[in-house]
Amino acid sequence: AQSVAQPEDQVNVAEGNPLTVKCTYSVSGNPYLFWYVQYPNRGLQFLLKYITGDNLVKGSYGFEAEFNKSQTSFHLKKPSALVSDSALYFCAVRDTSGGYNKLIFGAGTRLAVHP
Amino acid sequence: NAGVMQNPRHLVRRRGQEARLRCSPMKGHSHVYWYRQLPEEGLKFMVYLQKENIIDESGMPKERFSAEFPKEGPSILRIQQVVRGDSAAYFCASSPPDRGVAEAFFGQGTRLTVV
Repeated sequence: AQSVAQPEDQVNVAEGNPLTVKCTYSVSGNPYLFWYVQYPNRGLQFLLKYITGDNLVKGSYGFEAEFNKSQTSFHLKKPSALVSDSALYFCAVRDTSGGYNKLIFGAGTRLAVHP
Repeated sequence: NAGVMQNPRHLVRRRGQEARLRCSPMKGHSHVYWYRQLPEEGLKFMVYLQKENIIDESGMPKERFSAEFPKEGPSILRIQQVVRGDSAAYFCASSPPDRGVAEAFFGQGTRLTVV
């Protein structure tokens, strides 16, 4: 079965500094990878996805993610963090086991950006 | 084009009552996925439905939980005889028939509190 792991429960960053939220994956076949963000008491908002093509994927709100096949990673990055980026971030992978598509989520990483 | 609509946004039930959560997919979307987010945890897949069919219910608890997606009207997640452990945020996502989860959009969620 496909899975993703987010090794950090929380990431703390100072405003203006670059941020990285880590995600590693385990899949059979070609991975479809996603990042979502959840603000307090809100639903999930799609940030970006990797299906094929360039390893560097650009998404919403200035976020980007780098697909690294050799390290089986899909880390989320942003060059300069904002306080408003503070939220819960989820990495997800498409699972096709059983012949049906669904998303499998990581446990989430809480990003705290300090002024 | 309205997004995925879930209602109610907040639901309070006493132990032993029934909870009905509704999800109206985006226009043109015929696939619906339900996820549960327990406090301080990630999202866990529950069930995947297409119109009038349950496709994958591997994440649904065997008792008290059921889901449907009728030909007309919203998808319903039904929890009978709720217990405190059912308190969680329940999210619905929808996708078009030809894109699957690669084009899934999430609703704002229903926060169920069992007292």
